[in-house]
Amino acid sequence: GQQLNQSPQSMFIQEGEDVSMNCTSSSIFNTWLWYKQDPGEGPVLLIALYKAGELTSNGRLTAQFGITRKDSFLNISASIPSDVGIYFCAGVQRGAGNKLTFGGGTRVLVKP
Amino acid sequence: ETGVTQSPTHLIKTRGQQVTLRCSSQSGHNTVSWYQQALGQGPQFIFQYYREEENGRGNFPPRFSGLQFPNYSSELNVNALELDDSALYLCASTRDSYGYTFGSGTRLTVV
Repeated sequence: GQQLNQSPQSMFIQEGEDVSMNCTSSSIFNTWLWYKQDPGEGPVLLIALYKAGELTSNGRLTAQFGITRKDSFLNISASIPSDVGIYFCAGVQRGAGNKLTFGGGTRVLVKP
Repeated sequence: ETGVTQSPTHLIKTRGQQVTLRCSSQSGHNTVSWYQQALGQGPQFIFQYYREEENGRGNFPPRFSGLQFPNYSSELNVNALELDDSALYLCASTRDSYGYTFGSGTRLTVV
């Protein structure tokens, strides 16, 4: 089963808002990755984090590798309609080769 | 630079049948992984191949098997299909660690 817990499971955004989501685990991960998946497509890599405490940005996206190596956070600033989709965190553990362990996803929807 | 392509895009099979899914890796990528994504969940690691040899496996039974060919294309084979095997099957390839490129997946429905 899933070792990574993502929250929230879903959220509504209004254009221009900042949104945050996080991923936690009881285990240590040496690499954290954030992906976005649109309907009918595979996950697309947004940000990769390789060191504890690392803060990395990619345009309006900012992600952080938690100091304890058991969590990670993703922030989206000034959201736009195309930010809608499912965001997944994924981690890689030492000794696990390149196996990605995924969280359950955060579904981002537009406020009606 | 071509991406990862998977075929077929959709497939319907009957319980007990066998299925083969195919993946063409991104040019220059020598490592391929397969993931199963059930509806509403994150992808689950099935196995990984590097230079034609399996070098990692998730918690899936032996009826899930694979192959990687010299051109780095890959196959996922599933025998004795069960209803719970219905899912999106994703192939991902990489040349270096972690920079995986995913295909759009094959949607398998077992009836």
